Amino acid sequence: SAVISQKPSRDICQRGTSLTIQCQVDSQVTMMFWYRQQPGQSLTLIATANQGSEATYESGFVIDKFPISRPNLTFSTLTVSNMSPEDSSIYLCSVEGGTDQPQHFGDGTRLSIL
Amino acid sequence: QQQVKQSPQSLIVQKGGISIINCAYENTAFDYFPWYQQFPGKGPALLIAIRPDVSEKKEGRFTISFNKSAKQFSLHIMDSQPGDSATYFCAALGAGSYQLTFGKGTKLSVIP
Repeated sequence: SAVISQKPSRDICQRGTSLTIQCQVDSQVTMMFWYRQQPGQSLTLIATANQGSEATYESGFVIDKFPISRPNLTFSTLTVSNMSPEDSSIYLCSVEGGTDQPQHFGDGTRLSIL
Repeated sequence: QQQVKQSPQSLIVQKGGISIINCAYENTAFDYFPWYQQFPGKGPALLIAIRPDVSEKKEGRFTISFNKSAKQFSLHIMDSQPGDSATYFCAALGAGSYQLTFGKGTKLSVIP
């Protein structure tokens, strides 16, 4: 399975600032996904990122708040903009394993907003 | 609308016992059902998965039982060990889809 690296692994940020999270995978993949996991909760899909096209956002998530880049088949970034304490969460990157195959996840970025 | 319902929310099992986690789904278009295991500070890792054309799949101490008519599936962990203590998520994937639908998770604690 793909090896996925996320940076940073954790961060503490000030209210009102923005943070960009990087996701690097060791093989070319068509689809990458960004999830949010609040403490003790399940995973909520933020958006799906395909190379060469705009990301597709799920209900409740907007591009102005969570802009995503997908410059090539092995890399993506998620920016959390104008952060507030409610954005404190774990942000996870995943990649598709192929049609009808499950996704593989990185270890996430643990974000705390003061 | 939650499309995959998971229970229990938390589970405490004695070492050597059997841990059982249940999931039920509503969407009959789902045709692939993975289970993920997540340790604190780590991302979810694929544990075992099943397709609805089989009723059971076993990998080591982990078994998935699948009941297509009832739209239910469950994870059984035999001879549970303290190292199995983690959060387990069931999920479902539709045919031709890349998008997973997750259950809410079960926090398993295996006590010595």
